[in-house]
Amino acid sequence: DAGVTQSPTHLIKTRGQHVTLRCSPISGHKSVSWYQQVLGQGPQFIFQYYEKEERGRGNFPDRFSARQFPNYSSELNVNALLLGDSALYLCASSSATGGLNTEAFFGQGTRLTVV
Amino acid sequence: DAKTTQPTSMDCAEGRAANLPCNHSTISGNEYVYWYRQIHSQGPQYIIHGLKNNETNEMASLIITEDRKSSTLILPHATLRDTAVYYCIALHGSSNTGKLIFGQGTTLQVKP
Repeated sequence: DAGVTQSPTHLIKTRGQHVTLRCSPISGHKSVSWYQQVLGQGPQFIFQYYEKEERGRGNFPDRFSARQFPNYSSELNVNALLLGDSALYLCASSSATGGLNTEAFFGQGTRLTVV
Repeated sequence: DAKTTQPTSMDCAEGRAANLPCNHSTISGNEYVYWYRQIHSQGPQYIIHGLKNNETNEMASLIITEDRKSSTLILPHATLRDTAVYYCIALHGSSNTGKLIFGQGTTLQVKP
């Protein structure tokens, strides 16, 4: 079974540019969440999508946006990149929005470097 | 969701039990305790979770105190591959595992 897949694995962008990160959840999972992990810190929640609707948003500026497609894959978009956006971006999928007996499965992440 | 407090780092000898503490003194009655770990350069991995009873699976055991104010994750026979950052997370019963609030975690170093 394929796990959560993210692309690309690494990316270098220039300040002011735009970036799109992609995530494919585990087959059958309808919930996709995005996290940002800056070096030395724990992951920070950005967004959760379930059935193509936003179900949660963390404390991130409007430069960050996301969407979920009918096949439950998701994109994270970041506009007007800043040096501080350099981080590991993680995607996680789970089977439902409720039910705490489900677990979240994480992808390997996309390492974004802004120069 | 309740705040959790963990030691910044711990060492453990290979083959010995690793006991990782977590304090969650403000946890409410319907908040679960979840443990994830993150091996260097990988995404976090689910380990175990519980509400008030002790739990065991193939990876670890979770011991929750009777007053639920603290818990301990036990890796019974630590190996070098268990070297990782371990996160303890309190998650409300009406919440979901799609929104996890990670702290700084405990960096466990397993030494030969």
